[in-house]
This record gives sequence, C-alpha cells and structure tokens, in this order.
Amino acid sequence: SQTIHQWPATLVQPVGSPLSLECTVEGTSNPNLYWYRQAAGRGLQLLFYSVGIGQISSEVPQNLSASRPQDRQFILSSKKLLLSDSGFYLCAWSVLGVGGYTFGSGTRLTVV
Amino acid sequence: TQLLEQSPQFLSIQEGENLTVYCNSSSVFSSLQWYRQEPGEGPVLLVTVVTGGEVKKLKRLTFQFGDARKDSSLHITAAQPGDTGLYLCAGSFGTDKLIFGTGTRLQVFP
Repeated sequence: SQTIHQWPATLVQPVGSPLSLECTVEGTSNPNLYWYRQAAGRGLQLLFYSVGIGQISSEVPQNLSASRPQDRQFILSSKKLLLSDSGFYLCAWSVLGVGGYTFGSGTRLTVV
Repeated sequence: TQLLEQSPQFLSIQEGENLTVYCNSSSVFSSLQWYRQEPGEGPVLLVTVVTGGEVKKLKRLTFQFGDARKDSSLHITAAQPGDTGLYLCAGSFGTDKLIFGTGTRLQVFP
C-alpha cells in the first residue's frame, strides 16, 4: 500500500540554526511531491513542488529550499532559520491525473 | 493570484444541526477537492468534483460543484461531534498543483 512518512513530528530550533525536514513515499513510483506550510488553523500555502528527481519549483520567495535526491524522497531545508519560519509543515504526494493528495502527518516547527 | 475564500471561517453548533460551508473563487476550477484535517494531522481527502453542477454524497455530507465551476459547497446533515475539524477546499486550475482555501473550523458540541 502507499504510505508517506514525514519526520520529525515536532522540532524546536533556535534562530539562525539550519533545518532539514525529510519526507519519503512508499508504494508508488514517480509521484509529484509537495511541501506546504500551514499557519495555525488556516489554509495551506504551497512552498515547493517536484515532478521528478532534481526538479524543484518554488512557489514563494523565502528562506527555505527543497531538494529531491531520489524519486520518493523530498527534503525541505534552510541554512539559517528565522522566527517567521515557524509553522506546521506538510509533505504530500500525488500521481498526475489521479485525483487527490495524500499528506504526511506534518512537522510542527517552532523557531525560538 | 488565484484565491479560494471559504465561509464561514468558524462554525460552532450543537449535535444534530445542519450546516453549509462555502468555497468561492473568481477563477474557474478544472477540479475541486474537499479535505478534513484534525489537529496535529495532515488533511485527508473527502471528495473530488470535476463537472459543473455535480453533486456527490458521502453519508451525511453532500458536496456540490457550481455550474460555472467557480464555487463549491459542503453541506452536513445532522452534525455529530466526530465531524469536528478543519474543512479545506482545494482547487486545481489545469495543473497538478492544488491551491487551498482559507479553511472553515467546525466545532460540534454534544
């Protein structure tokens, strides 16, 4: 069956520290992969999406970057975190032409 | 910028009441989805609608896609505490990227 793993579940990091969040997908090949950020109790903002290895599209200018080193691995990074980077980060996958995203369980990031 | 506005933003009702959540845009969707999210979890897909005027039912939930494919509604009949959560609409504008709505937080009290 198809599953998506996202870790860690929670993270507290000081301002200026680096960040690496990882997302892996099982049970499907060549998925589209997405990183979203969600403000408290609100809608989701698309940060990055990828249609293949090494192919990354950025939706909004920001302090973050994404990479896809393997077909089913998507990484969200920052060299130096800002307070405004705090939020709930969600990874998702989809297969082109087949409806619906499957989301991971999210990472709650608090920058202090 | 494509924007999806949901209303109401918050809804607090008693068990057994009916409710409707709306999702509106000035743009035409190629398809629209509804998700429900519980605290600390990722959203879970409820339904996808693709045809203008389409109506889909999922037990006590009824989803309607507007004739012009610019809006959608979610109606819940006889709400239960288990319906509590954040409801999100999400539209596709011809690509595989989804634009999410602003969200409606529903609280159903027993």
